[in-house]
Amino acid sequence: TQLLEQSPQFLSIQEGENLTVYCNSSSVFSSLQWYRQEPGEGPVLLVTVVTGGEVKKLKRLTFQFGDARKDSSLHITAAQPGDTGLYLCADQAGTALIFGKGTTLSVSS
Amino acid sequence: ETGVTQTPRHLVMGMTNKKSLKCEQHLGHNAMYWYKQSAKKPLELMFVYNFKEQTENNSVPSRFSPECPNSSHLFLHLHTLQPEDSALYLCASSQEGITSGTTDTQYFGPGTRLTVL
Repeated sequence: TQLLEQSPQFLSIQEGENLTVYCNSSSVFSSLQWYRQEPGEGPVLLVTVVTGGEVKKLKRLTFQFGDARKDSSLHITAAQPGDTGLYLCADQAGTALIFGKGTTLSVSS
Repeated sequence: ETGVTQTPRHLVMGMTNKKSLKCEQHLGHNAMYWYKQSAKKPLELMFVYNFKEQTENNSVPSRFSPECPNSSHLFLHLHTLQPEDSALYLCASSQEGITSGTTDTQYFGPGTRLTVL
């Protein structure tokens, strides 16, 4: 059974700081997805990456996929309070999405 | 607005009660999902429906009973639950459903926060 480990579990920072969160898999990703879940809402897809070494940017968010397709990072530049939420990585495994436990990010102004 | 709505948003029930969770999607999708999100565990897939047919039951106890009367509606019927069933229950939908070799974006509803006393 594939396991996704996310770190850190919790992160509390000030507005304007940079941060990186990580996702590591016990096996090669089929298709890596990153989600953000805000309090009281369901997860929302941020990005999908499938190619080893791939880098995608979404405004202040930069997603990197490891060459071996077993790890990924999400870097946020100049964090804002609106970035607060639970960041989840997931892999498509057959007919199911496998999720990590997530990183809870809190950005205070 | 994600196009997926869930009711109720919060539910408190005793272990002997029977209740139902409702999910409705307004996106014209053909696949719908139930997930369970507990405080200390990753988000877990429970059931998958493609074109109203159940295609996945992820070893879910029989006290959870799904129903999909049409492609837009999904229910989760609950009976004789246990306190450990307390969690956030999320519904999601996607255009075609997850099949091997494809990536089909799932859109999640806001969830129902369930507390079993």
